[in-house]
Amino acid sequence: SQQGEEDPQALSIQEGENATMNCSYKTSINNLQWYRQNSGRGLVHLILIRSNEREKHSGRLRVTLDTSKKSSSLLITASRAADTASYFCATDDTGTYKYIFGTGTRLKVLA
Amino acid sequence: EADIYQTPRYLVIGTGKKITLECSQTMGHDKMYWYQQDPGMELHLIHYSYGVNSTEKGDLSSESTVSRIRTEHFPLTLESARPSHTSQYLCASSEFSRAEQFFGPGTRLTVL
Repeated sequence: SQQGEEDPQALSIQEGENATMNCSYKTSINNLQWYRQNSGRGLVHLILIRSNEREKHSGRLRVTLDTSKKSSSLLITASRAADTASYFCATDDTGTYKYIFGTGTRLKVLA
Repeated sequence: EADIYQTPRYLVIGTGKKITLECSQTMGHDKMYWYQQDPGMELHLIHYSYGVNSTEKGDLSSESTVSRIRTEHFPLTLESARPSHTSQYLCASSEFSRAEQFFGPGTRLTVL
């Protein structure tokens, strides 16, 4: 079964607002990643957080990880129209070389 | 910009045709992946490889096959395309010891 479930499925905000999306997963992980996908394109890696980390920052991105709840959140601060994309979490399938992607959150930032 | 390429970018073919989707990377990555993604939906892993002459099936049942004869090349072949194969196919690669995957631009396949 799919590892990652994300919510909300879709999010529409005004430019300058913060966007928060969440990812839940089912089994133990070594790390969790977030990717962005612009319409019709491949995915671009944003940030990786390891299972022994609780929070990580990269520019306007903040990722948290709660392994006890098996969940992660991605916060994009001061959003821009260029942030409009789909965002996916991905978790490692422990013991294999596979990664399992979530269902994605479609973010629309209105100018 | 990641050095991973996919050709063709778009393909429209008739049912029953044999097709090969090409994927090449110039980063020397050992691990390579093929994903299938319907528009606006999640990615499903269909094949992966962790090195030359190694290939494994993913979680999504697929009628496609792959080969890994060279590190940089990971083609996917459909022996007899069907309308149910209509989708976007994404290729990705990563270093053996790292989790970050680099994705190609994708091939959008339409089978009539």
